[in-house]
Amino acid sequence: SAVISQKPSRDICQRGTSLTIQCQVDSQVTMMFWYRQQPGQSLTLIATANQGSEATYESGFVIDKFPISRPNLTFSTLTVSNMSPEDSSIYLCSVTTGGKFEAFFGQGTRLTVV
Amino acid sequence: KNQVEQSPQSLIILEGKNCTLQCNYTVSPFSNLRWYKQDTGRGPVSLTIMTFSENTKSNGRYTATLDADTKQSSLHITASQLSDSASYICVVSAEAGGTSYGKLTFGQGTILTVHP
Repeated sequence: SAVISQKPSRDICQRGTSLTIQCQVDSQVTMMFWYRQQPGQSLTLIATANQGSEATYESGFVIDKFPISRPNLTFSTLTVSNMSPEDSSIYLCSVTTGGKFEAFFGQGTRLTVV
Repeated sequence: KNQVEQSPQSLIILEGKNCTLQCNYTVSPFSNLRWYKQDTGRGPVSLTIMTFSENTKSNGRYTATLDADTKQSSLHITASQLSDSASYICVVSAEAGGTSYGKLTFGQGTILTVHP
């Protein structure tokens, strides 16, 4: 298994500003992911954070809006840039381990943009 | 298009009662199906994970079934407790192609409320 520490757990931000979310894992993992969960919705994959190279973004998400860093195998950050109220959501970090690539999730960051 | 649909959207039951949540999927090629529990304000936590060859898997009071032919799964909760109140999410993994990891498709979740 993997224990994921994500922070901050919640924040209220002014529109036009940026917020960086941190994800720390207690063991080295190959695959790290960032998801968004809008109110009442299922999780949507934003990007795969690759160690030593640029993140791989899903359709509808771009690097300028959601820059991601992955400096090593235990840590990643997601920045939500130039925020608007539409960015209000829960952002989740996830890693996969094991033979079945079981997914583990951080506790999430609840972001409110006002 | 890969999809996972769950029913019901929400469910209210009395403490001690049993309930069954449903999941239908169209993910192909199929690799495995997972059920997660997500408490309010927390990240999802894995309950069960089943591959094509497994048709039932238990984790305490939680029992998941899988019918790969009809592409259906269910999660049965026995003797419900107040702490079972949460969102239950069905997640299906597609079989990986050239990579070692298949993409996950998430259902929208079933919100279960257990009343005393």
